Amino acid sequence: AQSVTQLGSHVSVSEGALVLLRCNYSSSVPPYLFWYVQYPNQGLQLLLKYTSAATLVKGINGFEAEFKKSETSFHLTKPSAHMSDAAEYFCAVSERSPGKLIFGQGTELSVKP
Amino acid sequence: GAGVSQSPSNKVTEKGKDVELRCDPISGHTALYWYRQSLGQGLEFLIYFQGNSAPDKSGLPSDRFSAERTGGSVSTLTIQRTQQEDSAVYLCASSSGQPGSGNTIYFGEGSWLTVV
Repeated sequence: AQSVTQLGSHVSVSEGALVLLRCNYSSSVPPYLFWYVQYPNQGLQLLLKYTSAATLVKGINGFEAEFKKSETSFHLTKPSAHMSDAAEYFCAVSERSPGKLIFGQGTELSVKP
Repeated sequence: GAGVSQSPSNKVTEKGKDVELRCDPISGHTALYWYRQSLGQGLEFLIYFQGNSAPDKSGLPSDRFSAERTGGSVSTLTIQRTQQEDSAVYLCASSSGQPGSGNTIYFGEGSWLTVV
C-alpha cells in the first residue's frame, strides 16, 4: 500500500525566510502527488499537484514542489515566507486504481514576524 | 453550488445517539470521498464512491459507520451509537474522476462532530 511521511509536525520560519516542508512517499509505481493547505477553521485547498509531467511543479501563492523519484520525495518550498502562509500543510499520494487519496500527518507552518 | 457543501457545519450529540452528516458534491463530479480529521491527527480515509462502482469502504473504522450515495450525487455518512472517540471533523470531497487521471479533489469545509 502507498503511504506518505511528512517530516516534522511543526515548522517555524521567520517572515522572508525560505520555507521547506518535507514529504516522502512509498510506492511501487510512480504515483500522483499533491500538496494541500488548510487555513484555520477552513477546508483543504489544493496548492499543487504532480501528475507525471514536469518534475518541478508550480502552485498557488508562490509555492513549488519537485518530484524526485530517486529520493521518493516531493518537498514543498517557497523562497520567501509571508505571514499569511501560516497554516497546516498536507502531502498526499493517490493510488492509480481505485483512486483514493492517502494523506500524510500534516505539518503546521508558523511564520514569525 | 460552486463547491462541495456539507451540513451541518457543527453538531453536538449525546453519546449513544445516531448522527447523519450530509455532503453535496460539485455538480457533475462522479467521485466522492469521506475523510475524518481528529484533533492533532492527519486525514483518515473513510470511504470512496466512484460512479456506479461498488464503494471502497476499507477505511470505515467500525460497523457503526456507514455511508450511501443516492442518485450518484448527494451522500450521507451515518454514525450509529456515537462514542466520544467519534468526535472529529468529517470532510467530504469530490472530483470529476479518479485522482490517478490528474483530476483535482475538492474538499468541503467539513462537519465538526462533538460527542458528549
